[in-house]
Amino acid sequence: EPEVTQTPSHQVTQMGQEVILRCVPISNHLYFYWYRQILGQKVEFLVSFYNNEISEKSEIFDDQFSVERPDGSNFTLKIRSTKLEDSAMYFCASRGDPGYGEQYFGPGTRLTVT
Amino acid sequence: GQQVMQIPQYQHVQEGEDFTTYCNSSTTLSNIQWYKQRPGGHPVFLIQLVKSGEVKKQKRLTFQFGEAKKNSSLHITATQTTDVGTYFCAGQGSSGSARQLTFGSGTQLTVLP
Repeated sequence: EPEVTQTPSHQVTQMGQEVILRCVPISNHLYFYWYRQILGQKVEFLVSFYNNEISEKSEIFDDQFSVERPDGSNFTLKIRSTKLEDSAMYFCASRGDPGYGEQYFGPGTRLTVT
Repeated sequence: GQQVMQIPQYQHVQEGEDFTTYCNSSTTLSNIQWYKQRPGGHPVFLIQLVKSGEVKKQKRLTFQFGEAKKNSSLHITATQTTDVGTYFCAGQGSSGSARQLTFGSGTQLTVLP
């Protein structure tokens, strides 16, 4: 069964450093998402991406964040200057249906900012 | 903005007992989805409800969407240890920023053998 993959599984970085989290969505999906989940808390929407542009973003997704689909398969989330409070699990998700529908989540990248 | 509340936060049950989690949105939803997250895992889609008053069943799981499309519930009959995890509802509005999936805080289910 096709699945969303994410790398790395765990990233440790120092405050102020840039990080790039990578995702490979399911190959025929067109809608891509990033979420974050602080330990023990709910899943929070960051951004959605369709047709090579951001379609929606949350208040969390400020100027420190950016997303890119550099080629036909990868979808990346960049945090320019990490803060301690950016420590969380970051999930990528993709969806194939054009309307509302199931989102397939990747296994996540645990980001630890020290 | 859209808010989705979910109760209870935690639920411990003996294996074989029933379990219910409730979800309430501050705004009318276009649809609601339910996800399960195992400890250390990622959210896995369970079901989507779209119609007012809709009821769907998956084996021992029953999902309901309220008539006003603002609340939903998940009921598990005769829980098993494999049901352990956190159950999230996620609501989606119909326009603008409300189209994003807004997750509830989740109900963490523990099933005692």
